[in-house]
Amino acid sequence: DIQMTQSPSFLPASVGERVTISCRASQSIGRFLSWYQQKPGKAPKFLIYGASALQSGVPSRFGGSGSGTEFTLTISSLQPEDFATYYCQQSFTAPWTFGQGTKVEMK
Amino acid sequence: QVQLVESGGGVVQPGGSLRLSCAASGLSFRNSGMHWVRQAPGKGLEWLAFIRFDGTKEDHAESVKGRFTISRDNSKNTLYLQMDSLRIEDTAVYFCATDLYNWNAFEIWGQGTKVTVS
Repeated sequence: DIQMTQSPSFLPASVGERVTISCRASQSIGRFLSWYQQKPGKAPKFLIYGASALQSGVPSRFGGSGSGTEFTLTISSLQPEDFATYYCQQSFTAPWTFGQGTKVEMK
Repeated sequence: QVQLVESGGGVVQPGGSLRLSCAASGLSFRNSGMHWVRQAPGKGLEWLAFIRFDGTKEDHAESVKGRFTISRDNSKNTLYLQMDSLRIEDTAVYFCATDLYNWNAFEIWGQGTKVTVS
């Protein structure tokens, strides 16, 4: 199975700050990488696919980049509603696997 | 309004069975591949199973292969997960999700249904 590793696991941040979350795959996955946002007690929300394609309705402050084994999710200016846990997920080879999550919390 | 609504969760003893349902509305269910994903308490997300839009292909994670079975009824716009031989470690919230065609990503999610094996 392809292992996905996110860093950091916890990210203290302030409103207005630029935030970057990293995701590393245990082998090359091309650009088959998606990102999700999850708030407590809620289902995950689909943000980005194909490493950088923004899902319809997702604010443009969210951006994704990378290919191969190294990927990044960037929030250009953190908003109050962005405090949540973020997961990356590879869709290159089944079983489809997720990173362990990065919790963006208030500094 | 696009919606997926899971049901069928509850408390079951180890070794027992449950069948989860996921009712779809507001989307072209018969044209959508579907997944089940779960989340154990305080843990991350784990993909469990996928079924093709027409039901002709299924895939299950090794952790549930032989115990869980995904199926669908396109005439009822409903996805199912039959869970047998349940273990304590199957305790989780179970989500259904639509497949983003060609990307094997999870586009639309239900609200989840809680399963407790105890």
